[in-house]
Amino acid sequence: AQTVTQSQPEMSVQEAETVTLSCTYDTSESDYYLFWYKQPPSRQMILVIRQEAYKQQNATENRFSVNFQKAAKSFSLKISDSQLGDAAMYFCASPNSGYALNFGKGTSLLVTP
Amino acid sequence: GAGVSQSPRYKVAKRGQDVALRCDPISGHVSLFWYQQALGQGPEFLTYFQNEAQLDKSGLPSDRFFAERPEGSVSTLKIQRTQQEDSAVYLCASSARTGDTYTFGSGTRLTVV
Repeated sequence: AQTVTQSQPEMSVQEAETVTLSCTYDTSESDYYLFWYKQPPSRQMILVIRQEAYKQQNATENRFSVNFQKAAKSFSLKISDSQLGDAAMYFCASPNSGYALNFGKGTSLLVTP
Repeated sequence: GAGVSQSPRYKVAKRGQDVALRCDPISGHVSLFWYQQALGQGPEFLTYFQNEAQLDKSGLPSDRFFAERPEGSVSTLKIQRTQQEDSAVYLCASSARTGDTYTFGSGTRLTVV
C-alpha cells in the first residue's frame, strides 16, 4: 500500500521562530509531485507548497520551504518566521494512481506569541 | 465560480436517512474528486470524474455511496441509509486537467445520529 507518514501529531513554535514538520512517503510513481496542504478551522485545504520529484532543487514559497530527499522518500516542511496565522493542521500528500492523493494523518501546529 | 463551492456546509442525518451532498467546481475544470475526512485523520480518496465520466470509484466504502456528475460540472455525492461510521467531512476538489494541482472546497460536515 502506498502510504504517507507524519510522525508528529502536534508541534508548537513561538512567533518569529522556525519549525520543521516531517513527512515520509511511499509511491510507485516515477514522476510525481509532492504537496503540503494547510487546513485551518474553516476546513478548506489550502496548498502551501509543492515539489516536483524530478527537480533536485528544493521548492520555496516565501517563508515556506521543503527539504526533499528522494532516495529516502522524505519531504519535510520548514516554516520560517512563524506567524500566528500559520496555526492550523498541516497535511503532506503524495500521488496515488497519477491523479488521486494519499494524505498523512496531519500535524497540528500551534503558534504561541 | 471563483472557487469550489460545497453545500450544505453542515448536515445532520438520522441513521437510515439518505443524504445528498453537492459540489460546484471551478468553471471549466475537467477533473473532480471527492474525499472523505474522518475526525483526526487526513482525507481519503473516494472517487474521481473526468468531465461526466466516473473513471475511478475504488474508494467508495460501500454500495450505499453513489456519486454522479451528469453534465460534467456540478457533482452530487449520495449516501443511502446513512450509518454512524459515515460521519465525516466530505471534501470536493477540482483541477483544470488531470494531474494539475487541486483546488478544494470547504467541505460538508456530515453527522449521523
